Amino acid sequence: NAGVIQTPRHKVTGKGQEATLWCEPISGHSAVFWYRQTIVQGLEFLTYFRNQAPIDDSGMPKERFSAQMPNQSHSTLKIQSTQPQDSAVYLCASSPDPENSDYTFGSGTRLLVI
Amino acid sequence: QQQVRQSPQSLTVWEGETAILNCSYEDSTFDYFPWYHQFPGESPALLIAIRPVSNKKEDGRFTIFFNKREKKFSLHIADSQPGDSATYFCAASEDSGGSNAKLTFGKGTKLSVKS
Repeated sequence: NAGVIQTPRHKVTGKGQEATLWCEPISGHSAVFWYRQTIVQGLEFLTYFRNQAPIDDSGMPKERFSAQMPNQSHSTLKIQSTQPQDSAVYLCASSPDPENSDYTFGSGTRLLVI
Repeated sequence: QQQVRQSPQSLTVWEGETAILNCSYEDSTFDYFPWYHQFPGESPALLIAIRPVSNKKEDGRFTIFFNKREKKFSLHIADSQPGDSATYFCAASEDSGGSNAKLTFGKGTKLSVKS
């Protein structure tokens, strides 16, 4: 079991560019979550999929952030027109079933917008 | 807005002492309360969790105490070791029924254990 796999580990983008972050959940896990971690805000919920269906995107900045889960083996988080305040560690987590909040986090993608 | 408040922001204890980390919440619909720890350069990992059917959960040196009436819960780390030095996050979710497994996290307590 390779755990939750996130790629890339580090990404540097220029202000205004697009960034796409990838997540491969643990095989058989049906719930996938995206969080953002910064020193100031801590761990912020972004969005959540259950059996590939979007369930709750209440944490997503609506205009520039989007997430998809086209199949059970990967999810993507896309940030358009990146801004310096988007700089953070983006964490993907999965859990075995929709009723289980015991997350396994991936190693994260550290995004730096310059 | 659902919130989970955590204190202290940082805590230093000597090796062998008991470290006590505190959390409180507002939303009465929360019914699942895990603690995660995060070591530098790593991602958070589940440490221990409790549901309000009980007011205490133990796992080795780690114990959660839960007070439903006051909406507070705490993590006690007995016989603290230098290897316990990490940031600890409490969290809460509405776990019942599977309708929302989203975790709301506290801001974290940075624990340092001195030898």
